Amino acid sequence: EPEVTQTPSHQVTQMGQEVILRCVPISNHLYFYWYRQILGQKVEFLVSFYNNEISEKSEIFDDQFSVERPDGSNFTLKIRSTKLEDSAMYFCASSELAGITEAFFGQGTRLTVV
Amino acid sequence: AQSVTQLGSHVSVSEGALVLLRCNYSSSVPPYLFWYVQYPNQGLQLLLKYTSAATLVKGINGFEAEFKKSETSFHLTKPSAHMSDAAEYFCAVTAAGETSGSRLTFGEGTQLTVNP
Repeated sequence: EPEVTQTPSHQVTQMGQEVILRCVPISNHLYFYWYRQILGQKVEFLVSFYNNEISEKSEIFDDQFSVERPDGSNFTLKIRSTKLEDSAMYFCASSELAGITEAFFGQGTRLTVV
Repeated sequence: AQSVTQLGSHVSVSEGALVLLRCNYSSSVPPYLFWYVQYPNQGLQLLLKYTSAATLVKGINGFEAEFKKSETSFHLTKPSAHMSDAAEYFCAVTAAGETSGSRLTFGEGTQLTVNP
């Protein structure tokens, strides 16, 4: 069964460092998403991406964040200068269409900023 | 704008007992509603979804949910709990008819414990 793959599963970084979280969405999917879940809190939407551009972003997704689809398979989330409060589980998801079709989620990358 | 409220952050049932996880939503437009399950150290897996067809939706692993517009609810049920159902369950909503990267708005989650 096709799945969304995220790497690494766990990343530890020092405050102020840049991190790139990587995702390989399901191959025939058109929409890509990043969500995050701070420990003990709800899953929060960060950004959606379609046709090589951001289609929607939340208030969390400020200038420190960027997304890219550098080639035909990868989808990345970059955090330019990490802060302690960026520590969270980051989930990548993809879907064939928006809304009615389900989003398939990866297993997540646990980011720890120290 | 949409929001979801899950009543009860922790629910504990005995094996074989009815599972009822509550979800109420708020949406200014017709919603699509989803239940996801998260097992320890895993991602979110879709259990079932409501997309304006039948109001009673059946999902995987014996779960079902009923969309009740009058009550703005989408509660998740399973007649008989199994030990393997122990996990965290998330209710989520998005606006129906979205044509561009529709965000899912999640509830706080309900941790289900199944006792032997």
